[in-house]
Order: sequence, then structure tokens, then C-alpha cells
Amino acid sequence: DAGVIQSPRHEVTEMGQEVTLRCKPISGHNSLFWYRQTMMRGLELLIYFNNNVPIDDSGMPEDRFSAKMPNASFSTLKIQPSEPRDSAVYFCASSLTRGSQPQHFGDGTRLSIL
Amino acid sequence: AQSVAQPEDQVNVAEGNPLTVKCTYSVSGNPYLFWYVQYPNRGLQFLLKYITGDNLVKGSYGFEAEFNKSQTSFHLKKPSALVSDSALYFCAVRDNNNDMRFGAGTRLTVKP
Repeated sequence: DAGVIQSPRHEVTEMGQEVTLRCKPISGHNSLFWYRQTMMRGLELLIYFNNNVPIDDSGMPEDRFSAKMPNASFSTLKIQPSEPRDSAVYFCASSLTRGSQPQHFGDGTRLSIL
Repeated sequence: AQSVAQPEDQVNVAEGNPLTVKCTYSVSGNPYLFWYVQYPNRGLQFLLKYITGDNLVKGSYGFEAEFNKSQTSFHLKKPSALVSDSALYFCAVRDNNNDMRFGAGTRLTVKP
């Protein structure tokens, strides 16, 4: 079975540019999560969708960050404008919406803002 | 709100020796507890979970974890460590509200 698919795997861009990260969750999973991982702050939850609806976006750092889930098989995380401090690895994860179910992670997008 | 703590940033063991990676949790109600492993340049991979029942849970790659309600702990263990077990390990707790919290991670290094 295909796991969570993220694209691109690596992104290098200059500050001020718009960045769009993409995620395809596992088919049938109805919860989707975006995380950011850095050495300093560890793994941070940015936003959580359930059945394509954003449930908790309290982790989104600023208005420069936005996330959408137009359908059950696709989600985007956008940063506009990007800043060097946004450099991190961004992970998407999906799961069934039951507390006992584990989250399944993609391999992440390594983002570098110059 | 629930939380999870991994008191050790780093654990070093020799190959063939038993390993333990510690985790304690705080949650209202019944906890769902998870362990994940992260290899370089990869996402977190699910290892095992505790939901209910037997306090000793067996998972992938020979790992197991023991749920201890009185000590609110869920330590990860393996009887004989392999060099290939070297990775970053995360403990996580989730409640019925689907709110999941990850620990800060413990870097395990197994030396030949």
C-alpha cells in the first residue's frame, strides 16, 4: 500500500518567495496533520484536519502560513512570504479518526529559505 | 491536556546489550500510548502502541514496551540492541479527542 506522499522532498528558495508543500494522505484516512521539525523546537503540530475540515490550527505560527484540504486525497501548506526562520523539515501525517489509531508519516519536505 | 516526557536526550548502549528508552505521560482518562522511530531523512515510523489489555506490548523489529499505570510510564525496551537500531525515538500520547502529543525524542546510539 502507498504511504503518505509528500512533494517536493527538498525545496530551496529565496526569502520573500511563496512556498507550497503538498501531501497525499493514505486512502481512507480521514485525519490529516501538518508538522514542522527543527533541531531547536523538535516536532511541532501546525494544523489538523478531520474530514477535510480544519479542526485545530493553533500551531500555525503566523498569518504567513496557510493550509487547505480541498478533498480527501490532497492537502497543501503554503508559506507566503517565506522567511529564513521557516527553514525546517515539514511532515504530513494521516490516520483514521480514532484515538487508538497511529499516525502515518510521509518522508517530509526539507525546506531551506535563503 | 495530555503531555509526554522523555527524560533522556541521548541513550548509548553496546551492541548485544539490552536497551531501554524512557517515557512518562500525563493524561486525563485512558491513555493511548505510542512509540515511533525516525531514521535520517525519513518520517516517523510507527513501532507499537498500548490501548488496553496486557501491559507488555510487542512491536516491530523486536521492540516491546511496558505500560505501568502507577508510575505513568511507557518505557521502550529491546533485549539485544543492534547497530541498526540507532535512530531517534519518539513517545506519544493520544486521548479520545484525537489530540496527540509527542515527546522531544531520544537519540539512541548502539555501538559495535
